[in-house]
Amino acid sequence: GAGVSQTPSNKVTEKGKYVELRCDPISGHTALYWYRQSLGQGPEFLIYFQGTGAADDSGLPNDRFFAVRPEGSVSTLKIQRTERGDSAVYLCASSNSRWGGRYTGELFFGEGSRLTVL
Amino acid sequence: DAKTTQPPSMDCAEGRAANLPCNHSTISGNEYVYWYRQIHSQGPQYIIHGLKNNETNEMASLIITEDRKSSTLILPHATLRDTAVYYCIVSSYTGANSKLTFGKGITLSVRP
Repeated sequence: GAGVSQTPSNKVTEKGKYVELRCDPISGHTALYWYRQSLGQGPEFLIYFQGTGAADDSGLPNDRFFAVRPEGSVSTLKIQRTERGDSAVYLCASSNSRWGGRYTGELFFGEGSRLTVL
Repeated sequence: DAKTTQPPSMDCAEGRAANLPCNHSTISGNEYVYWYRQIHSQGPQYIIHGLKNNETNEMASLIITEDRKSSTLILPHATLRDTAVYYCIVSSYTGANSKLTFGKGITLSVRP
């Protein structure tokens, strides 16, 4: 498809389990972002990739959260030992929009992966 | 990123202009103003951005005050499909600061 694709769309897991969430960005987009959104809140930044490397992971809440983008395209967000507080919608966005030689800040978001930890 | 202040909610009648305000009194000279919106159960959608000049595209107009401390997003003819949460964000979006920080936004309700 032409947009950002996220799988699974819904994931229900038990406390303590390991979870992987996948993001397929728009083809050719070099920048990829992960956000998470709790009910009634705006999206919260987690991590940003430029190519294969994590340019900014300052939003990852703790070491249970980890993300990779080994080939500079698909990214996986990994959550170890899930807790009930991890329940949220995890949003992925990609960008490659330039204007006047700089990135424009136009991010293209996927529909999100809703994670529920019981 | 500089912080923004938006009212929590507003409504307008279908077919009328919706004017969404945003205060960003601590904005820096190299920071842009971005607007995104999020329709229920969807990911955020880019609307428009600007630095100091007013901007217009097929979706909306962005009016930035001369001192850049506030801005207004204008949806010229609101429809029911414009009901959404609208986020005003300021960011230099360059180098190490290439990310957007969302607040709670303003919930726009368009009534028939």
